[in-house]
Amino acid sequence: EVQLVESGGGLVQPGRSLRLSCAVSGFTFDDYAMHWVRQAPGKGLEWVSGISWNSGSIGYGDSVKGRFTISRDNAKNYLYLQMNSLRAEDTALYFCAKEISRAMGSAGFDSWGQGTLVTVSS
Amino acid sequence: DIQMTQSPSSLSASVGDRVTITCRASQSISRYLNWYQQKPGKAPKLLIYVVSSLQSGVSSRFSGSGSGTDFTLTISSLQPEDFATYYCQQSFSLPSTFGQGTRLEIK
Repeated sequence: EVQLVESGGGLVQPGRSLRLSCAVSGFTFDDYAMHWVRQAPGKGLEWVSGISWNSGSIGYGDSVKGRFTISRDNAKNYLYLQMNSLRAEDTALYFCAKEISRAMGSAGFDSWGQGTLVTVSS
Repeated sequence: DIQMTQSPSSLSASVGDRVTITCRASQSISRYLNWYQQKPGKAPKLLIYVVSSLQSGVSSRFSGSGSGTDFTLTISSLQPEDFATYYCQQSFSLPSTFGQGTRLEIK
């Protein structure tokens, strides 16, 4: 069974940092691209970042570019999102998601975690 | 960035109805269009990818069509479990972008 379990969310002050993790199991992790998608309370889905199977291709949404860094550890089956200079507008439920293919951005996300909540507030 | 616009934003329908949701891209995205269903408090679920490929385990009530800039998701005969919010997503170019969502409610 495919499982994606996010962790690392919480309450953080504006300007501070947070690192999210996503532990995966049930599939060959290094065969697939991975993504982070967020959803602000009561709002729609926003793609945050994606990484190809071998970390050779990485992308970011405009609102997080230069502040967030995605990475993966294929040996440990983990996906990460380092979030710096956090803002109130980064408050959201953060999902990790598995792409259907190795190549990033070619098709849909067929497995999702349940999300970890990040709240940025003083 | 490519903007994705869904219509309608909300829709009321009855069990057994045929429903169509449209998604328009601000530029051509070829066939790189995916559809998701999300229920309250749950993660999104992939329904259809690359316009018309039905994700494994998804009911054949769901179908997709379109190309270029205009796409549709059709539910042939609404069932109680279909009442949810639906999102389109383009995977043609980065950053990937989602539509604003269509909330499907029971009439």
